Amino acid sequence: AQKVTQAQTEISVVEKEDVTLDCVYETRDTTYYLFWYKQPPSGELVFLIRRNSFDEQNEISGRYSWNFQKSTSSFNFTITASQVVDSAVYFCALRASNSGYALNFGKGTSLLVTP
Amino acid sequence: GAGVSQTPSNKVTEKGKYVELRCDPISGHTALYWYRQSLGQGPEFLIYFQGTGAADDSGLPNDRFFAVRPEGSVSTLKIQRTERGDSAVYLCASSSPQGGRGASEQFFGPGTRLTVL
Repeated sequence: AQKVTQAQTEISVVEKEDVTLDCVYETRDTTYYLFWYKQPPSGELVFLIRRNSFDEQNEISGRYSWNFQKSTSSFNFTITASQVVDSAVYFCALRASNSGYALNFGKGTSLLVTP
Repeated sequence: GAGVSQTPSNKVTEKGKYVELRCDPISGHTALYWYRQSLGQGPEFLIYFQGTGAADDSGLPNDRFFAVRPEGSVSTLKIQRTERGDSAVYLCASSSPQGGRGASEQFFGPGTRLTVL
């Protein structure tokens, strides 16, 4: 079975602070894919990143960075110098290669960035 | 280019009625997915189409739910005898042809908010 845990339900930060959103996953498959999506108040899920299980290299995209560690089954997401526009619900998701086509989502972390 | 579109954006119906929700995927995307998102939860998988056929319908909660994609493009999710517990946002996603399972990211539409009174 596949499972994604986002233990942080809500996080509130002040603008320009750094914030890390945690994601822990469970799967028995050796080939799998991890994703982060952003869901702003408008409701539409926006794809942020995909990482496959063979690539543990961390990635940076502007103010966003992702830390993938297979040893701890974690795929954490850090926003540097947060901005009000970063306020949204962020979802981590897992798709295991031999376990169907569904994305298994965590419950999401609601991030509020205040001025 | 246009993203995934869904109609209607909102649907209010009465318990026991039949509803149809439509999804128009990104042009060229052969894979199409339906998810359901309840308040405060992550999306939950319902069904996956590759072309015209349902390749995985393991997420459909019961036989009141059915989906079709007759021409391999637009898909319709059909719910019979709606119940109050069916109230949720129904999301559609599509992805490009993929060489292996799980390789492509899914692009989501804005969703249809279904309210069953």
